[in-house]
Amino acid sequence: AQKITQTQPGMFVQEKEAVTLDCTYDTSDPSYGLFWYKQPSSGEMIFLIYQGSYDQQNATEGRYSLNFQKARKSANLVISASQLGDSAMYFCAMRRSSGANSKLTFGKGITLSVRP
Amino acid sequence: DAEITQSPRHKITETGRQVTLACHQTWNHNNMFWYRQDLGHGLRLIHYSYGVQDTNKGEVSDGYSVSRSNTEDLPLTLESAASSQTSVYFCASSDGSFTEAFFGQGTRLTVV
Repeated sequence: AQKITQTQPGMFVQEKEAVTLDCTYDTSDPSYGLFWYKQPSSGEMIFLIYQGSYDQQNATEGRYSLNFQKARKSANLVISASQLGDSAMYFCAMRRSSGANSKLTFGKGITLSVRP
Repeated sequence: DAEITQSPRHKITETGRQVTLACHQTWNHNNMFWYRQDLGHGLRLIHYSYGVQDTNKGEVSDGYSVSRSNTEDLPLTLESAASSQTSVYFCASSDGSFTEAFFGQGTRLTVV
């Protein structure tokens, strides 16, 4: 079975600083994908970034980067130059190999608050 | 533009009533999912489908059912609503590759 663990209950960061949101996972599959989603107070789920288990380089999308450490089974999200609009709940998720086992398993989420 | 929509956005129902939440996607995705979101639990998978006539139980499927008669729709039915089913429900869809899943706006269901 696959499992996602997000243990930070809540994070605070000063505007314009960088912040790391932790995510560890557990799977026996050699092929999987890791995702981060943002959920602002309005409630929608916004896809941020994806990392494949065989990708050689860490994924980056604008101010978001994923610190992927396969041996440690961690996929931490790094947000650089935090903005007030980054205040939200952040979910880490994992998907097994494509096809018949492509359901997303989510962690419990981390609340990020950006201080002006 | 392709999208995924849920209806209604808000629903209040009484204990024991049957309730159906609609999910419609125009991505032409084979995979569709229903999650519930509760404080302290993140998103938990209720049911999912990998194609027409295919349905599967997720980790919290008791009291829920789904049917998939076409590619676009995966309605979620609460057979006899219970207060424990008060939650925010999300529908999502994806294709069979490692691309992200797209989510609907969510339905806030209150069972009184």
